[in-house]
Amino acid sequence: KQEVTQIPAALSVPEGENLVLNCSFTDSAIYNLQWFRQDPGKGLTSLLLIQSSQREQTSGRLNASLDKSSGRSTLYIAASQPGDSATYLCAAQRGNAGNNRKLIWGLGTSLAVNP
Amino acid sequence: KAGVTQTPRYLIKTRGQQVTLSCSPISGHRSVSWYQQTPGQGLQFLFEYFSETQRNKGNFPGRFSGRQFSNSRSEMNVSTLELGDSALYLCASSLVGVEVNEQFFGPGTRLTVL
Repeated sequence: KQEVTQIPAALSVPEGENLVLNCSFTDSAIYNLQWFRQDPGKGLTSLLLIQSSQREQTSGRLNASLDKSSGRSTLYIAASQPGDSATYLCAAQRGNAGNNRKLIWGLGTSLAVNP
Repeated sequence: KAGVTQTPRYLIKTRGQQVTLSCSPISGHRSVSWYQQTPGQGLQFLFEYFSETQRNKGNFPGRFSGRQFSNSRSEMNVSTLELGDSALYLCASSLVGVEVNEQFFGPGTRLTVL
């Protein structure tokens, strides 16, 4: 059974710092891993999706890596800004058919970037 | 291209009542998944619909049900509401039959059960 863990649960950093958010999963047989951002009381915004055949994806100041053998994914945020303050969630998908399509979620990392 | 829309955005109900939530997927997306988000449990998968059929189901009681219409819009129904059903209900749409199964989420419906 796939379990997803995110550490730390909360993080507070000064503006301008580079930071890393961690996501661990127990079953290395994943199809893809997706990182999302959630602002308070809002829905989810997809940030990056890494397929099992890929090792990383980049979008602007964000870089996500995937290491299936160690069961880890990291989200790197460069030069953090107050607007990056949000909860970051990772979700693993086991496959692309049947019940494997459902996303298994971590509980998220709540990030506060202080001006 | 319009995103995923959910209505209503907020609902207040009392125990024992029933509620229906609606989700309109991105145009062209035929799969709609529903998730419940609570502070203690995080996001939990409820079910997925495509082609008007429930394809996958999570571990929720039968009080939670859904359906999908021919235009891919989906509704979720919760009967005999309990206090523990208070949550943010999110729906996501995605394409079917493509290699990259990226899910796109709506803003959610905040349900409060009193």
